[in-house]
Amino acid sequence: DAGVIQSPRHEVTEMGQEVTLRCKPISGHNSLFWYRQTMMRGLELLIYFNNNVPIDDSGMPEDRFSAKMPNASFSTLKIQPSEPRDSAVYFCASSSGLAGWGEQFFGPGTRLTVL
Amino acid sequence: AQTVTQSQPEMSVQEAETVTLSCTYDTSESNYYLFWYKQPPSRQMILVIRQEAYKQQNATENRFSVNFQKAAKSFSLKISDSQLGDTAMYFCAYQAGGTSYGKLTFGQGTILTVHP
Repeated sequence: DAGVIQSPRHEVTEMGQEVTLRCKPISGHNSLFWYRQTMMRGLELLIYFNNNVPIDDSGMPEDRFSAKMPNASFSTLKIQPSEPRDSAVYFCASSSGLAGWGEQFFGPGTRLTVL
Repeated sequence: AQTVTQSQPEMSVQEAETVTLSCTYDTSESNYYLFWYKQPPSRQMILVIRQEAYKQQNATENRFSVNFQKAAKSFSLKISDSQLGDTAMYFCAYQAGGTSYGKLTFGQGTILTVHP
């Protein structure tokens, strides 16, 4: 298995630019999660999908953040416009458990730097 | 809201020795999962061990074992025969059942350094 795939691994952009992070979950997994990791706030859940449907986006910090899952094998997290405080590592994770229950498999993360 | 607390920001241990990382959590749920994840410098999140709350027996995975005290809401990780490759940040995580759809709540993490 290829595991959860995220791209890009590193992204450097300037304030105000649009950023799109991509995730391919493990085949057959029906739940997908986006997390953000920062020194100040640790690991926090942004949004999660079950069977491609967004279930809870209460962790999305602002309207500048949006996420989509058009099919079972692809999800995007978009930030528009980006700000320096969005600099963080963004993880995508997937799970095969019923309603997301059980172990989550994480991708390698995308390190985002907004100048 | 559920919270997870790791009270040890940093720990160190000599190679081949045993170390215990602490974790406490707060919940009113009766059914839940607890996990320990490892994050080495590569930043990849790797599952170390998991425990289902309804199971009384403590989980073990090779050199890794947990001490799960449900009444005390405590979930510590013991690493035996520590190896240099165990050097990493360790996160304790809680997952409620029911309608939470698998949301993980993480502790702040403990940096573990294994010295030769």
